[in-house]
Amino acid sequence: EIVLTQSPGTLSLSPGERATLSCRASQSVDNNNLAWLQQKPGQAPRLLIHGASSRATGIPDRFSGSGSGTDFTFTISRLEPEDFAVYYCHQYGRSPRTFGQGTKVETK
Amino acid sequence: EVHLVESGGGLVQPGGSLRLSCAASGFTFSAYSINWVRQAPGKGLEWVSYISSNGDTKHYADSVKGRFTISRDNAQNSLYLQMNSLRAEDTAVYYCVRGSCGDCWAIDYWGQGTLVTVSS
Repeated sequence: EIVLTQSPGTLSLSPGERATLSCRASQSVDNNNLAWLQQKPGQAPRLLIHGASSRATGIPDRFSGSGSGTDFTFTISRLEPEDFAVYYCHQYGRSPRTFGQGTKVETK
Repeated sequence: EVHLVESGGGLVQPGGSLRLSCAASGFTFSAYSINWVRQAPGKGLEWVSYISSNGDTKHYADSVKGRFTISRDNAQNSLYLQMNSLRAEDTAVYYCVRGSCGDCWAIDYWGQGTLVTVSS
C-alpha cells in the first residue's frame, strides 16, 4: 500500500501568514490522484483539492496544491481565522486508498 | 445540494453485528460511486469500502475483508454497510463519502458520520 507521510505534524502560525504543508508518498501516486481535505473539530472532512492541484467547487483561491509523483505540497496563501484545522492528504490512484496522518494548523 | 445522512451506529459487543445506512439526496444517486471511510476517536482517516454506481464492483480494506459487506439500493437512494464479527478496533465514526463519478475512486462530498462503539 502507498504510505503518505505528512509534515510537519503541527504548524503554529498567525492569521495572515502563509501555510505550507507537505505530503510524501512511499510510491508514485498514479495520475496525480491526490487530494487534500480539511477537518475541523467535531465536523466531517471537506474536500479542498483533487488531482493534486484542482480546487473543489466553492473553495477559495487562497488554497492551492502542487506536486507530482511522490512529493506534494498544499499551501494556504494567507490564513483566515476559519482555516485553523487539521489537513489530510489522500491518494486514490491505487488500492487501498490511503490517507496521511494529518497536519494540524494551529493559532500561534 | 448534496446531502448524505448516515444512521445505524451504536454500542455493540465484540463479535456482534451492526448495519449502517446512508441516505442520499440532492443528486442522482445511481450515477455515483460511494465509499465508507472511518475515523477512530482522536485518530486519522481510514478508507473502508467502495461500491461502484451500479453495484457491480466492490472493494474492501484488508482490515475488514470477509467481515464487512457493502451494498446499495439505487431505487431507495441508499447505501449500506453490514458489519459482522466486530472488534474493538472497529470503533470509529463511519462516514459515507460520494465518489466524483460512477466508477471514480476520487471522492468529494462527505456525510456527518455515525459512531460505532465496540465494547463489552
